[in-house]
Amino acid sequence: DVKVTQSSRYLVKRTGEKVFLECVQDMDHENMFWYRQDPGLGLRLIYFSYDVKMKEKGDIPEGYSVSREKKERFSLILESASTNQTSMYLCASSPRPEGGGNTIYFGEGSWLTVV
Amino acid sequence: AQSVAQPEDQVNVAEGNPLTVKCTYSVSGNPYLFWYVQYPNRGLQFLLKYITGDNLVKGSYGFEAEFNKSQTSFHLKKPSALVSDSALYFCAVRDMQHSGYALNFGKGTSLLVTP
Repeated sequence: DVKVTQSSRYLVKRTGEKVFLECVQDMDHENMFWYRQDPGLGLRLIYFSYDVKMKEKGDIPEGYSVSREKKERFSLILESASTNQTSMYLCASSPRPEGGGNTIYFGEGSWLTVV
Repeated sequence: AQSVAQPEDQVNVAEGNPLTVKCTYSVSGNPYLFWYVQYPNRGLQFLLKYITGDNLVKGSYGFEAEFNKSQTSFHLKKPSALVSDSALYFCAVRDMQHSGYALNFGKGTSLLVTP
């Protein structure tokens, strides 16, 4: 089975702190994604990466950055956390898409509260 | 834009009755459609997908979905609901217009199955 592991399930951070959310996948997938989930808004794409050191902005990249130094690891960085970044963050991965049919697999999520 | 809509925030059904969770899509070209389920405080689990071929797609846990091109719909169905099916359900479409082919999600439908 595909396993996408988010190392921190629950975090509480202070406003202005730099926050790192880590994600590791064990299936040698090329593509990795970060989404945030908010009630009534569904999932929104923050960033994705289609190869090591390659990244592209999603729909809501403001206030976030990402790092992908190794194929299996994709980190989401909040440069200066703010209360409106309190949310559930979901990491996902998939093989390089060939015709769009490949399944995207999700981790268990990281609940971030910024106080 | 590649998008999906889930017109119902919540669906209530009695255990043993058939259930339907609705999804409509708007895409240019052929759609790649997915259903995911989310249990409380968990990540998203893949249920099924439509790529091409038969309009009736069978997935995990007894769920199936019917692709209807004329109505641009991809409704999730199950012949006999279980209390354990109570969860949040997301419909998604593959975004074929941007590299990485991320998923664009609906806002989710909460399914409540009562004993």
